[in-house]
Amino acid sequence: DAGITQSPRHKVTETGTPVTLRCHQTENHRYMYWYRQDPGHGLRLIHYSYGVKDTDKGEVSDGYSVSRSKTEDFLLTLESATSSQTSVYFCAISGTTGLNTGELFFGEGSRLTVL
Amino acid sequence: AQSVTQPDIHITVSEGASLELRCNYSYGATPYLFWYVQSPGQGLQLLLKYFSGDTLVQGIKGFEAEFKRSQSSFNLRKPSVHWSDAAEYFCAVYNNNDMRFGAGTRLTVKP
Repeated sequence: DAGITQSPRHKVTETGTPVTLRCHQTENHRYMYWYRQDPGHGLRLIHYSYGVKDTDKGEVSDGYSVSRSKTEDFLLTLESATSSQTSVYFCAISGTTGLNTGELFFGEGSRLTVL
Repeated sequence: AQSVTQPDIHITVSEGASLELRCNYSYGATPYLFWYVQSPGQGLQLLLKYFSGDTLVQGIKGFEAEFKRSQSSFNLRKPSVHWSDAAEYFCAVYNNNDMRFGAGTRLTVKP
């Protein structure tokens, strides 16, 4: 299994507070992704990174920001959490050889509840 | 934009019966195609993938999928389902850093 660690695994917070989720990989993969999973929607891409300090938006990026200051870490920040951001968040990595074929390896998820 | 449709939200099959999960995609060219499986409380695991070549691809756990260009489909099959196959299955299409997932099909296996 790919070495991907997400933290925290569970978090309950209140509306308006900032939240940061961390994804840490030990595989030296170039690409890293943040998805959210909601019933009836499958997984939707929030942001992704194609290298250190190189990031781009996905289809549901509003209200989220990301940072990647080193290869192994990809942070997802909710500047001011809202109840609509209650979800399960998954980090994924790909690109073992620097190429991206779309084959993803997933972390175990972070369940966020915004009250 | 490309999209993925999994028409069946929930399927129930008896253990030992055959299984087919449907997936249709919308995209101008042939994207890379994937099936992932998610057990409760877990992340997604790759079952199989199609990039090019033989349109029937084999995956892990006895699963296979067939790419049909004319139907824009990539259906997942298994000849004989085991109780441990109960999970949620996601079809996905990928092109140029854009990966889209279907909404998923939840599989229940009856004893």
